[in-house]
Amino acid sequence: SQQGEEDPQALSIQEGENATMNCSYKTSINNLQWYRQNSGRGLVHLILIRSNEREKHSGRLRVTLDTSKKSSSLLITASRAADTASYFCATADSGNTPLVFGKGTRLSVIA
Amino acid sequence: DAGITQSPRHKVTETGTPVTLRCHQTENHRYMYWYRQDPGHGLRLIHYSYGVKDTDKGEVSDGYSVSRSKTEDFLLTLESATSSQTSVYFCAISGGAASYNQPQHFGDGTRLSIL
Repeated sequence: SQQGEEDPQALSIQEGENATMNCSYKTSINNLQWYRQNSGRGLVHLILIRSNEREKHSGRLRVTLDTSKKSSSLLITASRAADTASYFCATADSGNTPLVFGKGTRLSVIA
Repeated sequence: DAGITQSPRHKVTETGTPVTLRCHQTENHRYMYWYRQDPGHGLRLIHYSYGVKDTDKGEVSDGYSVSRSKTEDFLLTLESATSSQTSVYFCAISGGAASYNQPQHFGDGTRLSIL
């Protein structure tokens, strides 16, 4: 069963706006990862945030993690049409078991 | 891009026939995974491998078997395909530390249709 649940399921914004996606999970984690999937392609790893980190940046991406609320958010600033994709969170739990992926948020950036 | 090749990329077959999907990696990574992706269900783990001849079941393993006789190849077999196994199948790999916690790298998928 899914550990991470993304919210919203779908998001449509104008180019230049910021996009925020959220991920909630249920059990304690070692780290949380975000992935992007373009149509017809495999998932691509974007960023990993460890359980002892609260915020991480990579280019136009900003990820936050709140372990007390068991939630994470992915912010894409100044979005571009090329950011149109589905975004997934994945959790690595404290035991040694494979990542568990959420169902994803479908982002559409309109030029 | 990580060296992961899935074959075939597309396949149409009939109910009851056996189907084998292949995942080949050139990264010498220890861990390999098979997922299926369906609308409304996201990505679900079928089977995974933590070494040659070492495999384990994932969330949706019924009707599927796997084999890993070499580090670079991970095969997924549908012994007798059913229409409910129509899906897009992704292979992924991860390596580095001896842990499942590392980022995964994905192939571009196999679109399988079972009529």
